[in-house]
Amino acid sequence: AQSVTQLGSHVSVSEGALVLLRCNYSSSVPPYLFWYVQYPNQGLQLLLKYTSAATLVKGINGFEAEFKKSETSFHLTKPSAHMSDAAEYFCAVSDGGATNKLIFGTGTLLAVQP
Amino acid sequence: NAGVTQTPKFQVLKTGQSMTLQCAQDMNHEYMSWYRQDPGMGLRLIHYSVGAGITDQGEVPNGYNVSRSTTEDFPLRLLSAAPSQTSVYFCASRPPPGGSTEAFFGQGTRLTVV
Repeated sequence: AQSVTQLGSHVSVSEGALVLLRCNYSSSVPPYLFWYVQYPNQGLQLLLKYTSAATLVKGINGFEAEFKKSETSFHLTKPSAHMSDAAEYFCAVSDGGATNKLIFGTGTLLAVQP
Repeated sequence: NAGVTQTPKFQVLKTGQSMTLQCAQDMNHEYMSWYRQDPGMGLRLIHYSVGAGITDQGEVPNGYNVSRSTTEDFPLRLLSAAPSQTSVYFCASRPPPGGSTEAFFGQGTRLTVV
């Protein structure tokens, strides 16, 4: 069965500092991986996705993530945090099989300090 | 396009009452899913559908029923509400082929069971 593990339920950074949110996955087949962001009282929106075309994926708002098969990781980074990045971030995995289920991690709440 | 529309946005139920959470999408997506979001637990898959007339259970299906009579609609029924079903519910849809495609989310239904 597929799963994702997000290390760190809360991460706090200073404005302008590097953002690093960790995601490790488990999948018996080559996975499709996603990062979503959720702002308060809103639904989820896609930041970026990995679909095997390139291991370094660039998304919206300056975020990027690198797929590392040897480490089964798909960590999300941004070089310089903005106050507007404060939100909850979810990593998700899909196996692309007949069911196409999308399974989410437990989320990381990012706080950005002025 | 309205995308994914969920109604109602807020609901308070008494223990034992039943209700239906509505979800409709106007993007002609085959894949639709229901998730519940609880603090510290991320989004957990309740039920999903890979097309009209086809539904299956996710990670936490107990206490919920679904049906998919049309491509557009995927209602979630709570048969006899319990306080443990207090949560925020999200409906999502994905275009084919599903595995590599992003999910589009509704704005959520915040349900409180007293």
